[in-house]
Amino acid sequence: GENVEQHPSTLSVQEGDSAVIKCTYSDSASNYFPWYKQELGKRPQLIIDIRSNVGEKKDQRIAVTLNKTAKHFSLHITETQPEDSAVYFCASRPGFQKLVFGTGTRLLVSP
Amino acid sequence: ETGVTQTPRHLVMGMTNKKSLKCEQHLGHNAMYWYKQSAKKPLELMFVYNFKEQTENNSVPSRFSPECPNSSHLFLHLHTLQPEDSALYLCASSQEAGEKLFFGSGTQLSVL
Repeated sequence: GENVEQHPSTLSVQEGDSAVIKCTYSDSASNYFPWYKQELGKRPQLIIDIRSNVGEKKDQRIAVTLNKTAKHFSLHITETQPEDSAVYFCASRPGFQKLVFGTGTRLLVSP
Repeated sequence: ETGVTQTPRHLVMGMTNKKSLKCEQHLGHNAMYWYKQSAKKPLELMFVYNFKEQTENNSVPSRFSPECPNSSHLFLHLHTLQPEDSALYLCASSQEAGEKLFFGSGTQLSVL
């Protein structure tokens, strides 16, 4: 079955720096890749997603890139702010209805 | 109320108890999901319902029994659980199965 690996598990940056989180997947049939943000004690929330026919997608300070050949996709956050501090999860969709999640990255943005 | 609502928020139960988790979505979505979130583990898919029909059972032990009476409500019936079942149980819904999931706040379950 699909396996999603996420790195790093913890990332500390200074406010204003960029942050990059990377995920790799195993199933070449995967065609949809969302990213979720989970603040402490709150629900995971979708922040951006990308389909396999697109190489890059951007929404204000966040962007996602996809390399289908290498089977990896990355989340890029620019000009980080303290409110970006959270756990970020990547996921891939190997089948019609199933999302497989990575283990999460705890991002800490220091003022 | 809008979004996905889960009750109870917290639950403590003994290994011999029977309890149920409830999820209700007010988004008009067609698909509903149960996920298990444990510390330092990825979100684990348990069940998927699409138009009230179960379409995915991710090898979940029979002590977890889902029920989906309609496309707005989802239950997870629990019986004879083990301490290792302690986790945050998240319900989610989506318009199209398998994408743009909207999560509830979860039920934090402790099995003693």
